[in-house]
Amino acid sequence: GQQVMQIPQYQHVQEGEDFTTYCNSSTTLSNIQWYKQRPGGHPVFLIQLVKSGEVKKQKRLTFQFGEAKKNSSLHITATQTTDVGTYFCAGRETSGSRLTFGEGTQLTVNP
Amino acid sequence: DVKVTQSSRYLVKRTGEKVFLECVQDMDHENMFWYRQDPGLGLRLIYFSYDVKMKEKGDIPEGYSVSREKKERFSLILESASTNQTSMYLCASKSGISRQYFGPGTRLTVT
Repeated sequence: GQQVMQIPQYQHVQEGEDFTTYCNSSTTLSNIQWYKQRPGGHPVFLIQLVKSGEVKKQKRLTFQFGEAKKNSSLHITATQTTDVGTYFCAGRETSGSRLTFGEGTQLTVNP
Repeated sequence: DVKVTQSSRYLVKRTGEKVFLECVQDMDHENMFWYRQDPGLGLRLIYFSYDVKMKEKGDIPEGYSVSREKKERFSLILESASTNQTSMYLCASKSGISRQYFGPGTRLTVT
């Protein structure tokens, strides 16, 4: 079945440093979604990417979808303590409606 | 405001007990999902339902069953709870290929 792998599993940064998490799928995706889960909370939707090579920005967050639609990345510029949490990617195959989640990247930010 | 609610935030059960986890959504979504979340393993899909009385197995259905008698309600059943089912259980719902909305989660401990 479809597998979605995410790296790194953990990332510790100093406040102000940049952060990137990477997501790779074993199959071609029709779209990919990103979620953020704050400590003690539940995953909350951030964004959806659909087009090959798509790049979207939300303030300091930049999301990319690979040309082959098999990989994606989330980059945070100048991290803040409010960025702390676990970031998940979730891919949907060309057919079917279920999402397959990556293992998540847990980000900690030292002030 | 959209809402997915789960019957309990914390639950402690004994080995061998039958456990019911309830999830209710108020968005008229046709798709509902049950995940379990364990450290380092991300979100793993247990079962999902794309319509009333319809269900499909996810990646880890063993030891679980589900029920969807009404569109807004999706129940996860542990027929005979075991200690390896101690986990965080997250319910989610969505419509079509849109974002998933998650409930607050139920932290289940089986002793």
